[in-house]
Amino acid sequence: DVVLTQTPVSLSVTLGDQASISCRSSQSLEYSDGYTYLEWYLQKPGQSPQLLIYGVSNRFSGVPDRFIGSGSGTDFTLKISRVEPEDLGVYYCFQATHDPLTFGSGTKLEIK
Amino acid sequence: EVQLVETGGGLVQPGRSLKLSCVASGFTFNNYWMSWTRQAPGKGLEWVASITNSGGSTYYPDSVKGRFTISRDNAQNTLYLQMNSLRSEDTATYYCTRLGRGWFAYWGQGTLVTVSS
Repeated sequence: DVVLTQTPVSLSVTLGDQASISCRSSQSLEYSDGYTYLEWYLQKPGQSPQLLIYGVSNRFSGVPDRFIGSGSGTDFTLKISRVEPEDLGVYYCFQATHDPLTFGSGTKLEIK
Repeated sequence: EVQLVETGGGLVQPGRSLKLSCVASGFTFNNYWMSWTRQAPGKGLEWVASITNSGGSTYYPDSVKGRFTISRDNAQNTLYLQMNSLRSEDTATYYCTRLGRGWFAYWGQGTLVTVSS
């Protein structure tokens, strides 16, 4: 199975600062069709997870442009510029390139 | 507005069965793949099962293959998860999800399944 390793495990950020989360895959996530099925999800406290980013860098409907996904192959990053209070929660990367589909173990973002 | 409402969770003894349902609304149900994803208490997310829009193909990780069955009734806009031979490690909140731009573009509120004697 593909293992997605997220770092850091937790992150404490001052409001207005930038946060960066890394997701490293044990295998390349580029599919044979050239697409990279790497996504990012946020689970706010007490809520269901929500999709933020699909295809490495595409923001889902309604996601602010403060959320920026990047990367290729096995190394991916989610950057959150100008962190706001509503950004707190647990961030998960996810891959759908290889079977079985797998999630990273999560990064908890806290506000200082 | 896309809505996914799960029901059927509860307390069940190890080795017994339980069937979850998810009623969908706000979109054309038979146009989309659907999935179940779960989250054990205080833990991360785990993909459980997916089904094509027609219901003709299904997919599972090894952890539930042979015990869980995903199905759908497109006439009733309903997704199901039949869970057999339940184990304590199946204790989790189960989420119904819909494919969109991302694999899990839309989520229900979840239903809690507790496997315990």
